Amino acid sequence: GAGVSQTPSNKVTEKGKYVELRCDPISGHTALYWYRQSLGQGPEFLIYFQGTGAADDSGLPNDRFFAVRPEGSVSTLKIQRTERGDSAVYLCASSLGTENTEAFFGQGTRLTVV
Amino acid sequence: QQQVKQSPQSLIVQKGGISIINCAYENTAFDYFPWYQQFPGKGPALLIAIRPDVSEKKEGRFTISFNKSAKQFSLHIMDSQPGDSATYFCAARTSGSRLTFGEGTQLTVNP
Repeated sequence: GAGVSQTPSNKVTEKGKYVELRCDPISGHTALYWYRQSLGQGPEFLIYFQGTGAADDSGLPNDRFFAVRPEGSVSTLKIQRTERGDSAVYLCASSLGTENTEAFFGQGTRLTVV
Repeated sequence: QQQVKQSPQSLIVQKGGISIINCAYENTAFDYFPWYQQFPGKGPALLIAIRPDVSEKKEGRFTISFNKSAKQFSLHIMDSQPGDSATYFCAARTSGSRLTFGEGTQLTVNP
């Protein structure tokens, strides 16, 4: 693929529901990152994968948030029992590795919890 | 320790002018400092980046100035154009870890 692809581009869900956000990284990129961007703010780190394993999940706000990358490519961010405060743009980025290599971002998934 | 402070929050410049955005950091372990440009509805895109062993890097109309002792770095956009109107984020990273972003600067270049 040409770039990082995120689906869906928009998601509206009711408070308390479960959502899954998908990220397709650039082919061959071993590092994958999830960030959350609230309106008017910079992206905030959630979790980072190196291959299939979560190398750093210290940014996940609570145990309602979980992410997987079972085959070292596509990743899914899962949010349980959504709350209105979870509304934000969720960004995914990938890079060839972690040693000062450029991170390429997807266009994001705008999640709205009503 | 992990914060990156960015200013100004918003900036209005006339076409042809110079846009300057400043960032400051605390964590001396940061060793990679990129600037990202973001248009509405799009993800951030890397504009230019610098490592702390150099004091300046220039790519076209974009220049990063880096002051290691002051723990500050800035983005200069020369000959600013209306198409440069976007939100700009500075960021910093330690080797093998995540990016820490500034709060963003909304740049408007008037024609």
